[in-house]
Amino acid sequence: GAGVSQSPSNKVTEKGKDVELRCDPISGHTALYWYRQRLGQGLEFLIYFQGNSAPDKSGLPSDRFSAERTGESVSTLTIQRTQQEDSAVYLCASSPARYGEQYFGPGTRLTVT
Amino acid sequence: DQQVKQNSPSLSVQEGRISILNCDYTNSMFDYFLWYKKYPAEGPTFLISISSIKDKNEDGRFTVFLNKSAKHLSLHIVPSQPGDSAVYFCAASITGNQFYFGTGTSLTVIP
Repeated sequence: GAGVSQSPSNKVTEKGKDVELRCDPISGHTALYWYRQRLGQGLEFLIYFQGNSAPDKSGLPSDRFSAERTGESVSTLTIQRTQQEDSAVYLCASSPARYGEQYFGPGTRLTVT
Repeated sequence: DQQVKQNSPSLSVQEGRISILNCDYTNSMFDYFLWYKKYPAEGPTFLISISSIKDKNEDGRFTVFLNKSAKHLSLHIVPSQPGDSAVYFCAASITGNQFYFGTGTSLTVIP
């Protein structure tokens, strides 16, 4: 079956513009995670969705970052007024269960100029 | 503050020998640990996991060891193969919500 997909694969934007990143999880996966990986660093947790529960937003670095998920389907991560330090690969993962294996998408490489 | 640390950024091993990748963590509340493998331009793929009630989990050539008293996790690959060359991340979680990842170790298996 299809894995986790993310779009766009690459995004170059000017400082101050808003960007929206999309994640299509594996069908039936109740959990969805967003991570950020800056150059030379590990994966940094951003936000977690589990079913219809309130999301865990504790990893979002500032109020410029927000994410939505409709039910157990697609999720969008929005970054408003982008800054150069937002440049990173943004990875989305879905999981069939809370303690389950996470299946990652290929990521979106964001470059803020 | 990095709660999960992989202090070796790179490792080279001869084909057929054992690869040992190490991971240290600071939070004694972590109860679930995973290893992921990542090839360039791809997302990480799950390798193996272990819960804190166990000290060893084995899956084929891959074995994960957990030493809770030392807050140390290791991944053993035996025998190592050239296709194992990738970046390996360890990750830890308390409740299955938020996962903390290490910075990765780049493994090169030399034919």
